[in-house]
Parts: sequence; structure tokens; C-alpha cells
Amino acid sequence: EAQVTQNPRYLITVTGKKLTVTCSQNMNHEYMSWYRQDPGLGLRQIYYSMNVEVTDKGDVPEGYKVSRKEKRNFPLILESPSPNQTSLYFCASSSGPRKTQYFGPGTRLLVL
Amino acid sequence: AQSVTQLDSHVSVSEGTPVLLRCNYSSSYSPSLFWYVQHPNKGLQLLLKYTSAATLVKGINGFEAEFKKSETSFHLTKPSAHMSDAAEYFCVVISNFGNEKLTFGTGTRLTIIP
Repeated sequence: EAQVTQNPRYLITVTGKKLTVTCSQNMNHEYMSWYRQDPGLGLRQIYYSMNVEVTDKGDVPEGYKVSRKEKRNFPLILESPSPNQTSLYFCASSSGPRKTQYFGPGTRLLVL
Repeated sequence: AQSVTQLDSHVSVSEGTPVLLRCNYSSSYSPSLFWYVQHPNKGLQLLLKYTSAATLVKGINGFEAEFKKSETSFHLTKPSAHMSDAAEYFCVVISNFGNEKLTFGTGTRLTIIP
């Protein structure tokens, strides 16, 4: 089954404790991206990747890192999480930015 | 530069009546436009997309949208609302030249009254 998976689905952590949210897709897509969803703000793109080893900032990249060492994986790293990064995070993949985006189920993060 | 404005944060309609969700965009170049739907506690799913072909686009579940360049609009419509249409809807824009970033609207929550 074609899908985008994210882990973990729920995470509670404390300020400053590094964490990684994994994202994997099995559709051989080149384009992958991370979004955060906050009430009243919709989805905002954090980072995107056009292909392996090619990443670029979205609209809200501060406090986040990404890497794309393999085509199927695109982890999101929070080196020193802060409470303002409490949010719902979505990973998505597609064959290009102007193609249909396939979204993962979301990761709900709470930073205390 | 690109941006998208969803004119209503919340729309309520009675079951069986028409649905209209409004979206205006701006883009430095010709745009590609999308509508995505998010049901409660779910991820997002594509409803329909416009990528410079026919201006009237038909999507899943009876939804359609019309690209109007003169009005910079891409409103989503459905002739008859169903209870299962209750969800949040997002309009998305990307310029067809110059960048690879997607810009989402802030969303419209659609409530269906039985």
C-alpha cells in the first residue's frame, strides 16, 4: 500500500531535549516536505527536499533541521525544543511540488 | 511571491444545500492551485487541483472549483452538502516558476447542519 509513515504519532518532551520525528514514504517520490499545523494558522511549510541531499527552507525553518540521505526518508530534527514548537506536524511526499501531496498521519508534539 | 487567503474561517450549511468555500490567491507567476480536505484527526487528502488546463476543475465527492484569473479566485463548490463533508478545507498555491514552496491558506471549517 502506498503510504507516508511518521513516528512517533504522539510525543511529550521537555525543553531542550533533542528529538527526531521520522518520515518514510514507499512511493519513490522525489519531493518531501514537513509542515506544522497550528489553530488559526493553517499549515506552514518548515523544510522541503527536492531530492537526496537537496533541502531548502520553507516559511518557518527556525529551530528545525532536516536531512535527506535516502530518497525514502526525511527526518525532522529539533535540536533544542522549546514550548513554541508544540504543534501538530505533518510529513508529505509527491513526485513534485506541483503534484498531489500525500500526507502522513501526523505527529502531535507537546514541549513542556 | 505568493499568498492565499481563505475568506471564511467557518462555514455552516444545512444538509442538502449548496456549499461555497472561498479562496483568493496572489502569485508572481501563473499558479497551480489545490484544495485539500482534513477530516477530524486525520491527515490531508487532495480534493482537486488546477494546473493551467481547464479552468473548471472537478474533484472527488462532487466538489468542483473554478479558476478565475481576473478575480484571482479559486472558490470550492458542491451542489448539495452531505454530513460526511464536515471537515476542514485548505486552499494551496504554488507559483509555476521561481520557487518550490507550497503556501497553505488558514483553513475553512465546514459544519453540516442535519
